[in-house]
Formats: sequence, structure tokens, C-alpha cells
Amino acid sequence: EAQVTQNPRYLITVTGKKLTVTCSQNMNHEYMSWYRQDPGLGLRQIYYSMNVEVTDKGDVPEGYKVSRKEKRNFPLILESPSPNQTSLYFCASSLKAGGSTDTQYFGPGTRLTVL
Amino acid sequence: DAKTTQPPSMDCAEGRAANLPCNHSTISGNEYVYWYRQIHSQGPQYIIHGLKNNETNEMASLIITEDRKSSTLILPHATLRDTAVYYCIVRFTNAGKSTFGDGTTLTVKP
Repeated sequence: EAQVTQNPRYLITVTGKKLTVTCSQNMNHEYMSWYRQDPGLGLRQIYYSMNVEVTDKGDVPEGYKVSRKEKRNFPLILESPSPNQTSLYFCASSLKAGGSTDTQYFGPGTRLTVL
Repeated sequence: DAKTTQPPSMDCAEGRAANLPCNHSTISGNEYVYWYRQIHSQGPQYIIHGLKNNETNEMASLIITEDRKSSTLILPHATLRDTAVYYCIVRFTNAGKSTFGDGTTLTVKP
């Protein structure tokens, strides 16, 4: 089954404790992206990756890192989480970025709480 | 990508057609219009996309005006399960940045 998986689905952590949220897709998609969603706000893009080893900042990249060493995986790293990073996080992938092949498939979300 | 404007909320009676508008007046010639929806806090789900022609699939129809400055997503027979936030976005070929905006909260009422 074609899907995007995220782990963990729920995480409660403390300020400053490094964490990684994993994202994996099984559709051989080139484009992957991370979004955060806060109450009353839409989806805001954190980072995206056009292909392996190609990543760039979205609209809200501060406090986050990403890597794309393999096509299927796109982990989101919070080196020193802070309470303002408490949010619902979504990973998405599409065949290619933009244009007619940009149908984005989203993961189920990771609900992160930083105390 | 061009910016989109959607009404914050709409209501629709169950069984009736839901028509959700989206304004994208700064759209360029090769930007596609995509629609997604998000039910509760689930991951957004793709609905439909188009460039200039009207499109239809098993979920919805997409009507794009001739000047491409606006579009309408039509759910022909809305059900309670269609209650969700609907996002309209435009996407340029090879555009890495993706902006979703706040969407329209559609409430389908019995």
C-alpha cells in the first residue's frame, strides 16, 4: 500500500532534549516536505527536499534540521526543542515538486509537546 | 507560487452541492490549482487538481474560470463526512515551497 509513515505519532519531551521525527515513503517520490500546524493556523512549511541530498528552507525553518540521505526517508531533527515547537507535524511526499505531478501524500501526523 | 484567498467558513445542507470558491488572481500560466481537505487533525488528503480545463473525479469537480483567476471546488452531494477544512493551493512546476493558507472550514449539516 502506498503510504507515508511517521514515527512517533505522539511525543512528550522536555526543553533541550534532542529528538528526531522520522518520515518514510514507499512510492519512490522525489519531493518530500515537512509542515507544522498550530491551532487556528493552516499548514506552514518547515523544510522541503527536491531529491536526495537536496534540501531547502520553507517558511518556518528556525529550530529545525533535516537530511535526505536516501530517497525514501526525510527525518526532522529538533536539536534543542523549545515549548514554541509544540505542534502537530506532517510529512508529505509527491512524485515531483509542483506542476502536474505535485499530488502530495501526507503522513498521519506527529503530535509533539515540549514541556 | 501565487497566493490564494478562501472564505474562512461555509455551511452546506446534507445532500446538496457544496461549492467552495478560491481566488488566485496572481496565478501564472503554468501554475496548477490543487485542492486538499483535512478532516479533524488527520493528514490532508488530495482531492483534485487542474490547469485550465474543468476536471472531475470520483470525489469532486473543479471549475476554473477562463481567466484562471479563480476556481470552485464542487462536492455534488455533500455528506456529513465531508465536514472538513478545504485548502486550495497553486503550484508552479519545480516549486519547492508550498503554501497552504488557512483554508475553508466546510460544515455539512443534517
